[in-house]
Amino acid sequence: QVQLVESGGGVVPPGGSLRLSCAASGFTFSSYGMHWVRQAPVKGLEWVAFMRYDGSIHYYGDSVQGRFTISRDNSKNTLYLQMNSLRTDDTALYYCAKDRLRAAPGPASLADWGQGILVTVSS
Amino acid sequence: DIQMTQSPSSLSASVGDRVTITCRTSQSISNYLNWYQQKPGKAPKLLIFDASSLRSGVPSKFSGSGSGTDFTLTISSLQPEDFATYYCQQSYSIPHTFGGGTNVEIK
Repeated sequence: QVQLVESGGGVVPPGGSLRLSCAASGFTFSSYGMHWVRQAPVKGLEWVAFMRYDGSIHYYGDSVQGRFTISRDNSKNTLYLQMNSLRTDDTALYYCAKDRLRAAPGPASLADWGQGILVTVSS
Repeated sequence: DIQMTQSPSSLSASVGDRVTITCRTSQSISNYLNWYQQKPGKAPKLLIFDASSLRSGVPSKFSGSGSGTDFTLTISSLQPEDFATYYCQQSYSIPHTFGGGTNVEIK
């Protein structure tokens, strides 16, 4: 079955950087677009970023555009999120999620999710 | 960006009740609307995509309808395992925004 396991979270001071990883298994990773979604404590969901299955297209949410970079290594079945210039309002549980559609030109719905990894931005 | 307005933000209902949650978008999104269920401490789960298509394995008590700017999620007969927070999300344009959520509680 689909498994998505996030890692790389932790506590970082404002202005710092962090790289999240998402190890995928149970499906053909190179055939699916992948997303990052976050959820601040006791808050709702916020869509963060998407990368197409072949890495050729990526999109970002407004609040992270220019600071976060999504990437993937299809040879390692791994998705990444490089987070720079972190702010206190980036504090959240970050989920990695697999798109529903195989080999799709763009993002659709989020079919499978990891359990999330906590990022805390604090001095 | 497309704004998503879910209502109500919370509701109390009894086992066996029929429950309806509404999602309104700030502009027309055709049928590019998804619904998710999230239980406390767990990741969200996709219930419905393309406004009315039930994801494989999701019980048929869940149904979705609507197009354009107004959408609904209906749970035909609420069961104990359905008490959770429900989110709508548009996949029409970037960024793929979520609604604020509807917390369904036990009356």
